[in-house]
Amino acid sequence: DGGITQSPKYLFRKEGQNVTLSCEQNLNHDAMYWYRQDPGQGLRLIYYSQIVNDFQKGDIAEGYSVSREKKESFPLTVTSAQKNPTAFYLCASSIERGGLKLAKNIQYFGAGTRLSVL
Amino acid sequence: GIQVEQSPPDLILQEGANSTLRCNFSDSVNNLQWFHQNPWGQLINLFYIPSGTKQNGRLSATTVATERYSLLYISSSQTTDSGVYFCAVALGGSQGNLIFGKGTKLSVKP
Repeated sequence: DGGITQSPKYLFRKEGQNVTLSCEQNLNHDAMYWYRQDPGQGLRLIYYSQIVNDFQKGDIAEGYSVSREKKESFPLTVTSAQKNPTAFYLCASSIERGGLKLAKNIQYFGAGTRLSVL
Repeated sequence: GIQVEQSPPDLILQEGANSTLRCNFSDSVNNLQWFHQNPWGQLINLFYIPSGTKQNGRLSATTVATERYSLLYISSSQTTDSGVYFCAVALGGSQGNLIFGKGTKLSVKP
């Protein structure tokens, strides 16, 4: 089945530890995104990538890092510099991010990863 | 930056009732999407509707771009409609990232 797979579903981070959240898609989409959701809030953009080997900071990139070595994969690392990492993390993809082909920025989401601090 | 406001923040319905959710935005947009987040956190895209009206079963949506608002209608609500409904907009082009509202939390009681 085509879709977006996030793993793990639950993750616990110790003080000073870096952790990596996985996001894989088999939709052949060019654009991928990482969002953070806090309780009772909407989604905020952490990083996005429009093409392999390229990515851009979103609104809340501090304390996070990403890579895009393959079209299918966009892992997110929550570094020790992120002092308040407890949140629900969602990965999404779309055919394109924006530009003239507007409908191709319809975003599809994975099931999310819940990150907590021990 | 662009502001997205959703109302009401919370809504409790009896099964079978109808409801209207509203999304106001502060700037002209060329991308507007409605999402449903189920109680387990999964987001499902309901509509891509930067303008006009669309219907999908018991759900329909209307966006009046010139007046900067969108409405999501849910008819004959069911308990499975419970969850949070988000509106997200984008300006397009180099500013094509979606900006999400805070959502409307809907609870449908049997």
